[in-house]
Amino acid sequence: DGGITQSPKYLFRKEGQNVTLSCEQNLNHDAMYWYRQDPGQGLRLIYYSQIVNDFQKGDIAEGYSVSREKKESFPLTVTSAQKNPTAFYLCASNGDTQYFGPGTRLTVL
Amino acid sequence: AQSVTQPDIHITVSEGASLELRCNYSYGATPYLFWYVQSPGQGLQLLLKYFSGDTLVQGIKGFEAEFKRSQSSFNLRKPSVHWSDAAEYFCAVKAAGNKLTFGGGTRVLVKP
Repeated sequence: DGGITQSPKYLFRKEGQNVTLSCEQNLNHDAMYWYRQDPGQGLRLIYYSQIVNDFQKGDIAEGYSVSREKKESFPLTVTSAQKNPTAFYLCASNGDTQYFGPGTRLTVL
Repeated sequence: AQSVTQPDIHITVSEGASLELRCNYSYGATPYLFWYVQSPGQGLQLLLKYFSGDTLVQGIKGFEAEFKRSQSSFNLRKPSVHWSDAAEYFCAVKAAGNKLTFGGGTRVLVKP
């Protein structure tokens, strides 16, 4: 069954902690993306990767980091430097069309 | 730089009535355009896409969209709305590097 999985679905973090969100795809796509979505807003691009071992900053990369060691995986780390990390995070991958995972809701306590 | 505008933040429609969601884009080259739907707490599901060819595009769940280059628009329509169509809808344009630029979304409420 092809698709994109994100884990966990819900994540709680204390202030000052780093946390890593998982994204895995078995669509054999080269490109992968991380978006942030806040209530009542559209999607904003955090980071993207067009090929293994390479990635670029999106529009709101400050306070986030990524790695792309494998084609299937593109984890996102939300660092303590991110001032307002509570949001819904969406991962996507792209062939000729971009497909999305189910999302992770991060809440900072 | 490319941009996408969805002028309507909220739309309320009665079940069985028709629905039209507006999308205007700004992009210098021939656009690749998409409509996605998002149910609360879920990811985005692709409804339809336009790359080239016939400007009237059919999608899933009975939706269609029409690309009008002269108006820089890609409006989404459905002839008869079902209660399950209540969701948020996003229009997007593909730019260089396969990146998508999204509109702010339109939330659709369906009245019984």
